[in-house]
Amino acid sequence: QSVLTQPPSVSGAPGQRVTISCTGTSSNIGANFDVHWFQQLPGTAPKLLIYNNNNRPSGVPDRFSGSKSGTSASLAITGLQAEDEADYYCQSYDSSLSAYVFGTGTKVTVL
Amino acid sequence: QLQLQESGPGLVKPSETLSLTCNVSGGSITSSSDHWGWIRQSPGKGLEWIGDMYYSGSTDLKPSLKSRVTISVDTSKNQFSLKLTSVTAADTAVYYCVRHDLVGDWFDPWGQGTLVTVSS
Repeated sequence: QSVLTQPPSVSGAPGQRVTISCTGTSSNIGANFDVHWFQQLPGTAPKLLIYNNNNRPSGVPDRFSGSKSGTSASLAITGLQAEDEADYYCQSYDSSLSAYVFGTGTKVTVL
Repeated sequence: QLQLQESGPGLVKPSETLSLTCNVSGGSITSSSDHWGWIRQSPGKGLEWIGDMYYSGSTDLKPSLKSRVTISVDTSKNQFSLKLTSVTAADTAVYYCVRHDLVGDWFDPWGQGTLVTVSS
């Protein structure tokens, strides 16, 4: 059972901007632990998309951006493209569980 | 380029032990800045961190799984392994091995994953 809550799905037309929220608590995101984001294309393993709240690994397009405030974080995709159809997961650390935790996952659909 | 590859049985009987191995290529498992770990993904529970280990043998395990999990390393083969005892259907999942960056605290890269089904 995931402790970070994400919307099950978001959708947008090509070129539009979509955002995915990741809501935590005072024992994870609110405790100032960093948030990371992963993209999981169909049939593949998750891939690191954003690290330490708002940093992109080499090779990740600048259409992807992350932010964090209080007990929540967000992933934004601007200029949505068909290849962005995937599942997206946030991840952080929870001090009360003494465990790394993931979000419930969000499916992005390009209309 | 660092790559990880899981291997092991795809079918395990209830109450038995699940055993998986992760082969690391393109880098050394004795890197001082890395942990090596396991994450699983099931339809019912989403992504779940199982635990990590450092090449020295120290481990960091999810408390709720700790009593059933062993993670070990074979530095001579550049491999690490997972053992999960007393499995039930709830342990059916895709198991991924991962590198856990100690400096930034993120998981990257991931192996391709291997499906393990618990069934008699």
